[in-house]
Amino acid sequence: AQKITQTQPGMFVQEKEAVTLDCTYDTSDQSYGLFWYKQPSSGEMIFLIYQGSYDEQNATEGRYSLNFQKARKSANLVISASQLGDSAMYFCAMREGGVRGSTLGRLYFGRGTQLTVWP
Amino acid sequence: NAGVMQNPRHLVRRRGQEARLRCSPMKGHSHVYWYRQLPEEGLKFMVYLQKENIIDESGMPKERFSAEFPKEGPSILRIQQVVRGDSAAYFCASSTWGAGATSDEQFFGPGTRLTVL
Repeated sequence: AQKITQTQPGMFVQEKEAVTLDCTYDTSDQSYGLFWYKQPSSGEMIFLIYQGSYDEQNATEGRYSLNFQKARKSANLVISASQLGDSAMYFCAMREGGVRGSTLGRLYFGRGTQLTVWP
Repeated sequence: NAGVMQNPRHLVRRRGQEARLRCSPMKGHSHVYWYRQLPEEGLKFMVYLQKENIIDESGMPKERFSAEFPKEGPSILRIQQVVRGDSAAYFCASSTWGAGATSDEQFFGPGTRLTVL
């Protein structure tokens, strides 16, 4: 089973509008962390935002916020006031807590969503 | 503020040759992860290393691939006898705490794009 599922291969949004990128995850661990990364066409991976499984409040970082719905196992990224420079591939990732020596440490990535912002 | 450094950025090899990819973690980071990104896909974990130790290599192909992180110097991902299917982007990431915290952010290098002819 996929650990991280991103069902939107591509999304389009007009400049200054908000957009939501979907992410669902699968884990039996109680402790885990969720991450979003941005990969522009230049190829580097840029960390955007983090949400811990025990965090009661949704994470926010500037124009990025994470809509965390634990019961639904979803961690959607919301980008407000989109800018042309937001056009990129966006990856959702998860790190499981587990027990030391198991899968602790590694990140599981989804297949990504290609966001295009148009003027 | 030197981030994670990887070299070379682009590497072209013919089938059967060896590829060596280098990664220098951020200053103060002793945990290194290697990921592979095939075209049109997300990153897939390969191996997790600390200085002089391989902690988790469960994502690494059993043959032709090896990784090390010596006491001195960069981490090396080595691919022997490369095949066309090895063509991918290889990313290295480093972190402070490694397996010690689920919140531990992994900082990624720019990646090495390997092309096998």
